[in-house]
Amino acid sequence: DQQVKQNSPSLSVQEGRISILNCDYTNSMFDYFLWYKKYPAEGPTFLISISSIKDKNEDGRFTVFLNKSAKHLSLHIVPSQPGDSAVYFCASGGVYYGGSQGNLIFGKGTKLSVKP
Amino acid sequence: DSGVTQTPKHLITATGQRVTLRCSPRSGDLSVYWYQQSLDQGLQFLIQYYNGEERAKGNILERFSAQQFPDLHSELNLSSLELGDSALYFCASSVGGMGYNEQFFGPGTRLTVL
Repeated sequence: DQQVKQNSPSLSVQEGRISILNCDYTNSMFDYFLWYKKYPAEGPTFLISISSIKDKNEDGRFTVFLNKSAKHLSLHIVPSQPGDSAVYFCASGGVYYGGSQGNLIFGKGTKLSVKP
Repeated sequence: DSGVTQTPKHLITATGQRVTLRCSPRSGDLSVYWYQQSLDQGLQFLIQYYNGEERAKGNILERFSAQQFPDLHSELNLSSLELGDSALYFCASSVGGMGYNEQFFGPGTRLTVL
């Protein structure tokens, strides 16, 4: 039972255009959401986060949008650069999950390819 | 460089064997987390330690165990290894004990069970 879903395993975008990566979650108790980027042979790197009291958080070229009613979040990268090519993981968590202190639940990732 | 170190980088062993993976968290971080990433799978949370004590448990098999030492480094012990245990094992750390906050990941240990 996947509580965090990234339905697109891959995405290809032209350099300079917008990349939109999507993530859906099922647990309404999640109140904190993060995006991680992962290059081959490296560990995931934290990119940006958003708490459930917000619907948007921006950091440079990266913006995360949260739609709580739809249990959906998205990561926008504008403009996309070839160096953004990586696997992006969505992660969700909350204080209480399954009756115990929550930990991050990760999606399976979306591989982004930005073509020059 | 996240500041989290993991050794070894690669490990090749046979079924039935036992291995130990080691993790040193970032300076000042009290929490250590272990994750497993199998082929085509996301990161599966295994276990969290906070300041030497087990804080949360995820999908960790009984054949697996972990501990965090007084110097805050952690070890993940995998025993009676099976082919399906072949995976990337990541360690992450964070300052506090709230597992859903930002975690910093190490480069991982790739375990191959033959």
